[in-house]
Amino acid sequence: DTEVTQTPKHLVMGMTNKKSLKCEQHMGHRAMYWYKQKAKKPPELMFVYSYEKLSINESVPSRFSPECPNSSLLNLHLHALQPEDSALYLCASSAIQVINTEAFFGQGTRLTVV
Amino acid sequence: SQQGEEDPQALSIQEGENATMNCSYKTSINNLQWYRQNSGRGLVHLILIRSNEREKHSGRLRVTLDTSKKSSSLLITASRAADTASYFCATNYGGATNKLIFGTGTLLAVQP
Repeated sequence: DTEVTQTPKHLVMGMTNKKSLKCEQHMGHRAMYWYKQKAKKPPELMFVYSYEKLSINESVPSRFSPECPNSSLLNLHLHALQPEDSALYLCASSAIQVINTEAFFGQGTRLTVV
Repeated sequence: SQQGEEDPQALSIQEGENATMNCSYKTSINNLQWYRQNSGRGLVHLILIRSNEREKHSGRLRVTLDTSKKSSSLLITASRAADTASYFCATNYGGATNKLIFGTGTLLAVQP
């Protein structure tokens, strides 16, 4: 199984709402990532988890809160977002301690903040 | 910003023609990877070239890497309408994790 599953596929939320994005993989990958992609732009790295611990935070605002409850799951908790946070949020995973390896991406959650 | 640049930004060709996309980057890398994205959904890995490799082939794909110029190119031969997508190069220069920094991307349209 080489699939990374993201739910939901689409999400519309108000600026006062709290919501969560979920990501799951069963490839035994111990590195997991969140990327944000605006229309017609490349994906931008947000967070990296290594062995279920946050290893990289690319100066992301605190209204985005990642969580890695176990080696297969990655969540992104959203609170008090702004309309400019509307984007495609992509989860990815890869083997760890293997530098020359590919990343596997989910299909993304398309988020609209109203 | 460590983001790489790709050119052209957009490319339109006829089926059967070859498509070439170029990527330039800024730092020393472990490897460079190419990904494809259809209609703003998930990215699919195409090919990975290590920093000590100069050329790599996979099916209709040919990738070159010139570390002295910090540049790479992706050639798709005998293109098909199904190759229509956005193509991104991504550089990996992190430690143990696969921290990928994506280039600006090339939108390829293959006309049937």
